[in-house]
Amino acid sequence: GDSVTQMEGPVTLSEEAFLTINCTYTATGYPSLFWYVQYPGEGLQLLLKATKADDKGSNKGFEATYRKETTSFHLEKGSVQVSDSAVYFCALSISMFSGGYNKLIFGAGTRLAVHP
Amino acid sequence: DAGVTQSPTHLIKTRGQQVTLRCSPISGHKSVSWYQQVLGQGPQFIFQYYEKEERGRGNFPDRFSARQFPNYSSELNVNALLLGDSALYLCASSIRQGTTEAFFGQGTRLTVV
Repeated sequence: GDSVTQMEGPVTLSEEAFLTINCTYTATGYPSLFWYVQYPGEGLQLLLKATKADDKGSNKGFEATYRKETTSFHLEKGSVQVSDSAVYFCALSISMFSGGYNKLIFGAGTRLAVHP
Repeated sequence: DAGVTQSPTHLIKTRGQQVTLRCSPISGHKSVSWYQQVLGQGPQFIFQYYEKEERGRGNFPDRFSARQFPNYSSELNVNALLLGDSALYLCASSIRQGTTEAFFGQGTRLTVV
């Protein structure tokens, strides 16, 4: 079935270090791909998205490219800040033709801790 | 504009009790979805509602039910609570059915003791 696999955390970095969080997916058809961020005690915030192969989503210095050939959507940031400390979720959206709706399938999440 | 709002933010219930969680979508959004996020895991899809009708259901028992009202707000009900129902329950709204982009509320933290 459809699924998302993320690298396990926690990822611990010093401020201004380069960040990569790996995400691969399995899906039938052509899903849209997302990265969501969850700060402590809060819900999910959409960080970026890509809707088709080779699209690059970007926001707040974060980037991810939809790679159909490797079924990947890795999250990167050139220089992380302490305020980036959070849990990051990779997700795909699949169309359920029987009901005509879309649902999100999430990875398990990767916790990022950035130290000064 | 207000985002997705959920109430209450925290809730403690006893095993066997029933609980109702509430969600108001973003103004103009007609589709509401519910997700369960167990500690340390990613959210799991429970339901989607659009125009007051259930459009999709995840792999959850019949103890879980929901409804959507004419103003597009929604309630999630869970009967006969189990310890394993302890989780963060997230509501997401989309502008219409079939839209890939969803916006989440801050969630309701349910603890079953």
